[in-house]
Amino acid sequence: SAVISQKPSRDICQRGTSLTIQCQVDSQVTMMFWYRQQPGQSLTLIATANQGSEATYESGFVIDKFPISRPNLTFSTLTVSNMSPEDSSIYLCSVVRDNPYEQYFGPGTRLTVT
Amino acid sequence: GQQVMQIPQYQHVQEGEDFTTYCNSSTTLSNIQWYKQRPGGHPVFLIQLVKSGEVKKQKRLTFQFGEAKKNSSLHITATQTTDVGTYFCAGYNAGNNRKLIWGLGTSLAVNP
Repeated sequence: SAVISQKPSRDICQRGTSLTIQCQVDSQVTMMFWYRQQPGQSLTLIATANQGSEATYESGFVIDKFPISRPNLTFSTLTVSNMSPEDSSIYLCSVVRDNPYEQYFGPGTRLTVT
Repeated sequence: GQQVMQIPQYQHVQEGEDFTTYCNSSTTLSNIQWYKQRPGGHPVFLIQLVKSGEVKKQKRLTFQFGEAKKNSSLHITATQTTDVGTYFCAGYNAGNNRKLIWGLGTSLAVNP
């Protein structure tokens, strides 16, 4: 298994500001992901955080809006930039263990933009 | 693009009744995973099925993977209030074990 912590657990931010979410894993992992989940909805993959290179973004998500850092194999950050109320959501980081590729999730960051 | 449909979207049952959620993919999956998310919590891995026609059991939960590896089901026998939550299926596209395709989830409510 993997123990994942996220900071902050929740925040209320003003429109136009930015928030950086941190994700720390208790051991080295190759694959780390950032998801967004609206209340009552499924998970939407934002990007794959790659160590040593740029993140791989999914359709509809861009680096200018969601810059991601992955300085090592245990840590990553996601920044939500120039926030609007539409960015209000739960942001989850997850890691994958090789074979059987099950995903472990952090507790999430509940973001409210006013 | 590839889709994973899940039905029903919501289910209310009386405690002690059985519950089943179904998952269907538009393409062949290399494997299927099931996750449970309690209200206010994060998804937690339950199980992975890999083989065509595979059936696995965890106490009152029975998981099946279809012969064509395009569908799956989760059946809970004699539901309990602790079963409350949203159940997600998620699969890896055959040949691509890097991106999970998530179902929309089935929210289960259990009346005591």
